[in-house]
Amino acid sequence: SQQGEEDPQALSIQEGENATMNCSYKTSINNLQWYRQNSGRGLVHLILIRSNEREKHSGRLRVTLDTSKKSSSLLITASRAADTASYFCATDALGNTPLVFGKGTRLSVIA
Amino acid sequence: GAGVSQSPSNKVTEKGKDVELRCDPISGHTALYWYRQSLGQGLEFLIYFQGNSAPDKSGLPSDRFSAERTGGSVSTLTIQRTQQEDSAVYLCASSLAQGTHTEAFFGQGTRLTVV
Repeated sequence: SQQGEEDPQALSIQEGENATMNCSYKTSINNLQWYRQNSGRGLVHLILIRSNEREKHSGRLRVTLDTSKKSSSLLITASRAADTASYFCATDALGNTPLVFGKGTRLSVIA
Repeated sequence: GAGVSQSPSNKVTEKGKDVELRCDPISGHTALYWYRQSLGQGLEFLIYFQGNSAPDKSGLPSDRFSAERTGGSVSTLTIQRTQQEDSAVYLCASSLAQGTHTEAFFGQGTRLTVV
């Protein structure tokens, strides 16, 4: 069963606006990661946040983690047309368990 | 060897035939994952190899699916007696997972079409 669930399923914004995507999960985790996928092929890692961290930044990306609510958010600031892609969260539960992905959010940034 | 390499990139096969998909992970990565992605959908976990531990096969959809990882490196995903519903992109990833997962590096996938 999938651990993470992204929300919304699809998001369309204008260039320059901020995009926020959310991820909810079910069990206790070691860490949570966000990935990006272009054109339905390989995924690219964006950022990892550990279970004892609450916020992390990388360039225009800001990730928050609330373990009490079992949720995370990915904020992309000052979006660009090139940010158009699908974004997935991935979690690994405690113990030697596989990395499990959500269904993703399809982001469209309109120039 | 830069990243994760998967072959073939595309595979068209007739229903009922067996197929083998190959994944060459990044050298030194102990964890290897296989996922399946249908058009416009999320990643469905199939199987996970971690070092010398027994693989986690809990995601394999049927006994027609099997995977091996030889010598802790190359992995082969085999689908026997393919069905049309097996059509999807099969993605492989590897990571330096030791206890907890680190960044996973993905190959470009194999697009399987069963006709």
